Amino acid sequence: DQQVKQNSPSLSVQEGRISILNCDYTNSMFDYFLWYKKYPAEGPTFLISISSIKDKNEDGRFTVFLNKSAKHLSLHIVPSQPGDSAVYFCAASAVWAGSYQLTFGKGTKLSVIP
Amino acid sequence: KAGVTQTPRYLIKTRGQQVTLSCSPISGHRSVSWYQQTPGQGLQFLFEYFSETQRNKGNFPGRFSGRQFSNSRSEMNVSTLELGDSALYLCASSLGTSGGVSDTQYFGPGTRLTVL
Repeated sequence: DQQVKQNSPSLSVQEGRISILNCDYTNSMFDYFLWYKKYPAEGPTFLISISSIKDKNEDGRFTVFLNKSAKHLSLHIVPSQPGDSAVYFCAASAVWAGSYQLTFGKGTKLSVIP
Repeated sequence: KAGVTQTPRYLIKTRGQQVTLSCSPISGHRSVSWYQQTPGQGLQFLFEYFSETQRNKGNFPGRFSGRQFSNSRSEMNVSTLELGDSALYLCASSLGTSGGVSDTQYFGPGTRLTVL
């Protein structure tokens, strides 16, 4: 049973446009959500996070939105750049419940076309 | 500040052997978590150590074990290797405290294990 789902395996976006990556979760105990960017054969690189007490967090070109009632979060990248091409993973943890493990989605491969 | 380091980066073993992987966390981080990444299963949690104690454990067989030392460095051991253990093994470190709901894990480059 997948507790964190990224339903789009891939996404292609034109350079300069907005990239929107989506993630859904089922476990209501999750209280901390993160996005990671990953290149093949490398470890995930932390991008941005959001706690369940917020509905938006912004860091430069990256914004994460959280809709707790829908159990949905999204990552917006504006403007998209070719260097953003990578696999993006959504992850969640239940820190307040004492569980520090990250549960990952399967990832979305973003291709930014110059 | 130096990032998470993992050694070795690449490893080739044969079925039935055992292997030990090492992880050095970011300075000041007391929590170390291990993950396995395979094409079919994605990134899966193995276990987490905090202050030399295993605090969380994923759904992996007992052949997978780990430990953490007093300097927070961690090792992961896999005994009686199987072909299906071929994967990228990732280590992540974090502060590991729940003072507020934020505990970001930072990943190392991983160890690519190939079992022949």
